[in-house]
Amino acid sequence: DQQVKQNSPSLSVQEGRISILNCDYTNSMFDYFLWYKKYPAEGPTFLISISSIKDKNEDGRFTVFLNKSAKHLSLHIVPSQPGDSAVYFCAASALSGGSNYKLTFGKGTLLTVNP
Amino acid sequence: KAGVTQTPRYLIKTRGQQVTLSCSPISGHRSVSWYQQTPGQGLQFLFEYFSETQRNKGNFPGRFSGRQFSNSRSEMNVSTLELGDSALYLCASRRLAGGFTGELFFGEGSRLTVL
Repeated sequence: DQQVKQNSPSLSVQEGRISILNCDYTNSMFDYFLWYKKYPAEGPTFLISISSIKDKNEDGRFTVFLNKSAKHLSLHIVPSQPGDSAVYFCAASALSGGSNYKLTFGKGTLLTVNP
Repeated sequence: KAGVTQTPRYLIKTRGQQVTLSCSPISGHRSVSWYQQTPGQGLQFLFEYFSETQRNKGNFPGRFSGRQFSNSRSEMNVSTLELGDSALYLCASRRLAGGFTGELFFGEGSRLTVL
């Protein structure tokens, strides 16, 4: 049972345009959501996160939106740059779960930003 | 501040052998988690260690095990290797004091190939 789903394996956008990456989840216990970026041969790097008490969090060119009723979140990158080309993983956790903490990841979306 | 360090970065084993991977967390981080990344399954949680105790475990067979030392360094072991164990094994650490904000910090991973 896949609790975090990224239904688009890949996305291609032009430099300067907006990139929108989507993620759906099924577990109502999830209360904290994160996006990680991963380049080949490197570990995932934390990008941005959002708590379930918010519906938007912004950090520079990156904005994450959360729609709890739809169990859906999205990552917007504006403007997109070629250096943003990477695999983006959506992850969810139950922060209120205390010491038993783990991230549940989606399978990732490969973003390609064309110059 | 040094990041999460994993060794070895690459290794090749044959079926039936066993392997031990090592992880040194960020200084001051006392929790270490292990994840397996494969093309088909994305990142899957293996286990988490804190204070030398396994606190949480994913859905992997008993061939996968780990331990944590008093200096927070961790090792994971896979015995009786199978072809399907070929993957990138990622270690992540997190701090538990001073306000945990949900993100894990990943190492670059150990790429295991089983022939």
